[in-house]
Formats: sequence, structure tokens, C-alpha cells
Amino acid sequence: NAGVMQNPRHLVRRRGQEARLRCSPMKGHSHVYWYRQLPEEGLKFMVYLQKENIIDESGMPKERFSAEFPKEGPSILRIQQVVRGDSAAYFCASSPPAHSSYEQYFGPGTRLTVT
Amino acid sequence: AQSVTQPDIHITVSEGASLELRCNYSYGATPYLFWYVQSPGQGLQLLLKYFSGDTLVQGIKGFEAEFKRSQSSFNLRKPSVHWSDAAEYFCAVHSGGYQKVTFGTGTKLQVIP
Repeated sequence: NAGVMQNPRHLVRRRGQEARLRCSPMKGHSHVYWYRQLPEEGLKFMVYLQKENIIDESGMPKERFSAEFPKEGPSILRIQQVVRGDSAAYFCASSPPAHSSYEQYFGPGTRLTVT
Repeated sequence: AQSVTQPDIHITVSEGASLELRCNYSYGATPYLFWYVQSPGQGLQLLLKYFSGDTLVQGIKGFEAEFKRSQSSFNLRKPSVHWSDAAEYFCAVHSGGYQKVTFGTGTKLQVIP
């Protein structure tokens, strides 16, 4: 059973460009979470999605950031008009639809560098 | 709101020495607690978790952690550290259900020969 997959692993964007980060959850998992890790900091929650629904986006910046988890395909975290402060590692996690521990399984992350 | 405090930003230990990394949490009910390890440029690997039952939890790579409700702590221990244990360690708390995980700021472990 493959783990959570994220691509690309590394992404370089110039200021003002758009960044698209993809996350494929583990097989059978229908819950996806995105976290951001700024340099020298811990992971901070951004958004929680189920298929075709955003459940909790309390950690998402109000502007330029959006996320989706379509019926088919991976979850996408989109950052429009990137700025240097968006440089960070973005981690995706998934959890199964019914599990007593609700454990989240983390992907390897996408490291975004804004030049 | 739940929160996690890791009071030690950096810790240096000699190879073969014992290790204890501190973690304190704030949460009203019994939380789900985790320790993760992250090597430079890598993702998170789960070391161990506590949900209920025995308060001493065994994990991978020889790590263990003890849940102490009276102290709101979940400290990570290892009796003998190996050079390959050098990494950053994150304590995390989860309130159960489909909720976000709240992470501490991490402790960087350096192992010297």
C-alpha cells in the first residue's frame, strides 16, 4: 500500500507566479489535511478537506491560497501570486474514513522556494 | 484550544547516553499524543502514539514515551542514543475525530561521538 504521495518534491517559483502542489492520499483514505512548515518552525495546520468539500480552512491565509479535493484525482493546494514569505515546506496528510485512532499519515512534503 | 510546548529548542547528547525530550500539552480532555521525527529535508516519521491504556508507550527505533496526566506531559525517552538519531523531533496533540493535529515547535537533537 503506497503511502501519501506529494509532487513535486521541490518547486521553485518567481514572485508573482502561481504554485500548485498536489497530494494523493493513501488508498482508501478520503480525508486530506494540509500543513505548512516555515523555516525553523513546527508544522501549522492550514486546511482539512474531504472529497469535494472543505471542512475546516481556519488555518488558510485569507488571500491567494486555495485548496480542493475533487471527486477524482489528487488534492491541490494552489498559491496565487507567490511572495517570498510563501517559501516553506508544505505537507499533506490523509486519514481513513473510519478509524478509531483517526491517525494522520504524512507525505514527504513539497518544498517551495520563491525567488 | 489545544497547544503543545517543547521547551528545549536544541539538545546535544553523546552517543550512547540516555535521552529525554520534554513535551507539555494543553487540552481539556484526554488527548491523542504523538511523537514524530524529521531528518533534514525529509518528511515526518511517526515514532509512537498514545490514545489510551498503558501510559508507557513503546515506539520504533527504541524510543518510548510516558503519558503523565497530572503533569500534562508526554516526554520521549531513549536509553542509549545512536548517531543516526540526530534529527528534529516534534511532539503533537490531536483532539480525536477528524481534527487538525497541533505540533510543538520541535527539538533539534545533535549527537556527538
